[in-house]
Amino acid sequence: DIQMTQSPSSLSASVGDRVTITCRASQSIGSHLNWYQQKPGQAPRLLIYDTSNLQSGVPSRFSGSGSGTDFTLTIGNLQLEDFASYFCQQSHGAPMYTFGQGTKLEIK
Amino acid sequence: EVQLLESGGDLVQPGGSLRLSCAASGFTFSDFAMYWVRQAPGKGLEWVASISRNADTTYYADSVKGRFTISRDNPKYTLYLQINSVGAGDTAVYYCAKAGESLKLLRAFVDWGQGTLVTVSS
Repeated sequence: DIQMTQSPSSLSASVGDRVTITCRASQSIGSHLNWYQQKPGQAPRLLIYDTSNLQSGVPSRFSGSGSGTDFTLTIGNLQLEDFASYFCQQSHGAPMYTFGQGTKLEIK
Repeated sequence: EVQLLESGGDLVQPGGSLRLSCAASGFTFSDFAMYWVRQAPGKGLEWVASISRNADTTYYADSVKGRFTISRDNPKYTLYLQINSVGAGDTAVYYCAKAGESLKLLRAFVDWGQGTLVTVSS
């Protein structure tokens, strides 16, 4: 099974900051990595698919990069609405998937 | 507009059973594989099960294999999750999800329901 290790588990930042969240796979997953955002009481929302492709409607301050086992989600110029939890997901093993443990982004 | 509406969540005693449903609309249901994902209170997301478009193949997380059964009724546009022999670790919000349409989006969960809560307690 492919394991996903996401870090940090929590992160404090201010509006206007640039933040990076990382995700590491236990084996190479090529580019098969997705990122989701989740706000309290809501379903997750797809942000980025296949490492670096921005889902329709997602602001361009979100970006993703990486390949193989190491991946990053970067949020530039943080806005108030970006304070949420973020999860990576490997889809290399589709139709079996694994999520990272999540990162809670809080206001400093 | 794609809509996924889960139902069936409830309070269930340890060892009990429950069937969750997900009513789909806004797309051709039989054209897409479907998924269940769960989230324990205050915890992360866990993929639970997948089912192919025509239901000929199913996949399960190790944590639920042998206890959960995913199924679908394409004419009724409905996805199901039968949950048996529940334990405290099954307490969670259960979401149904659908992948996207393009080649790269086929491996991502583009659309999600609002979730239904299963609580296991005596």
